[in-house]
Parts: sequence; C-alpha cells; structure tokens
Amino acid sequence: KAGVTQTPRYLIKTRGQQVTLSCSPISGHRSVSWYQQTPGQGLQFLFEYFSETQRNKGNFPGRFSGRQFSNSRSEMNVSTLELGDSALYLCASSLVVGGITEAFFGQGTRLTVV
Amino acid sequence: AQTVTQSQPEMSVQEAETVTLSCTYDTSESNYYLFWYKQPPSRQMILVIRQEAYKQQNATENRFSVNFQKAAKSFSLKISDSQLGDTAMYFCAFPAQGGSEKLVFGKGTKLTVNP
Repeated sequence: KAGVTQTPRYLIKTRGQQVTLSCSPISGHRSVSWYQQTPGQGLQFLFEYFSETQRNKGNFPGRFSGRQFSNSRSEMNVSTLELGDSALYLCASSLVVGGITEAFFGQGTRLTVV
Repeated sequence: AQTVTQSQPEMSVQEAETVTLSCTYDTSESNYYLFWYKQPPSRQMILVIRQEAYKQQNATENRFSVNFQKAAKSFSLKISDSQLGDTAMYFCAFPAQGGSEKLVFGKGTKLTVNP
C-alpha cells in the first residue's frame, strides 16, 4: 500500500508570491490534516479535512487555505508569502481503527521563502 | 487547552544503552490515547508506540516501551539497547478534543545515539 505522498519535496519562493502544496493520502483514508513545522514553534496544526469538508482549523491567518477533493487528495495554498512562512509542511492521513485514530505522515514539503 | 510538554530538548546516549524521554500533558478528557512519534533526518514522521489511557498496562513495541502514569499525566518513552538508527527527533502527541483527528504535539526531544 502506498504511503502518504506530498509534492513537491522542496520549494523556493519569493516574498509576495503564492504557493500550492499537494498531499495524496493513503488509499481509503478520508481524513487529511496539515501541520507546519518550524524550529521555533515546533509542529502546529493548520487544518483538517474530512470528506471534502474542513472539520477543524488552526490559528493561522487567512493567507493559509486548503481544500480536499472527492478522491481525498488535498491541497494547501499560502498566498502573499512572508519570510516567516519558511517551514516544513507535513500532511497526515488518518484512519480510525477500533476507536483509535492513527495518523500516517508524508515526508513533507520544505518551503523556503526568500 | 490541551498541552504537551517535553522538558528535554536534547539527549544523547551510547549505543546499546537505555534512555528515557519525558513527556507530560494536560487534558480534561477521561478517555484518550497517547503517541510517540519519531522523525529521523529523512523527515518522515513515524509512529513508534501508542497507549490507550484506559489500559493500565504499559505499551511495549520491541525495544520501545512507555511508562504511563495517568494520575500524574506523564507518558515517558524508554528505548532499550539503543541503536544508531534511533537517532531522531521524538515527539509526544495526543488527539485534540472534540472528535477531531488533530494531534497536539510537544516541542520534541532530539536524541543522538553515539557509537
């Protein structure tokens, strides 16, 4: 079974630009969550999608948005990039088994804003 | 608010020795579960072990075991017979409230296993 796939792996953008990151979950997983990881703040939750609906959102500005498609693939978009948006963006797909949610992570997209 | 605290930013251990990573948390939930994730330099976050709060028995996965103290809200990870491949960031995490699949993570502990 293929794991969670995130594309691209690396990205360099200029301040003010926008970027779109993609996440393909494990087949059969309907929930996708996004996290931002930085050395200073650690792992911070961005949002969670389930069956194309945003179910939960973290404390990030409106420049951060996302969506989920009918095949459960998800994208997140960051507009008007700032230097502080440089981070590792991790996607996780989840499955509930026996009442326990198990999250599987992709390798992340390393975004550098210059 | 739910919080997770990992008080050891960095630790090191000699190969074949045992090391314990600490984690404390705060939640008002009575039934929950806890995770330890490992993130090696490859960046892939890998589930190491999980513990259901209603189980009194500590979880064990090969060389990895936990010491779960529910009353103290403590969830430490013990790695026995440390191997060079155990070098990684280790994160303690648990699900947020409200039926969400959001995870709340600690800041992480950077573990280095020395030869």
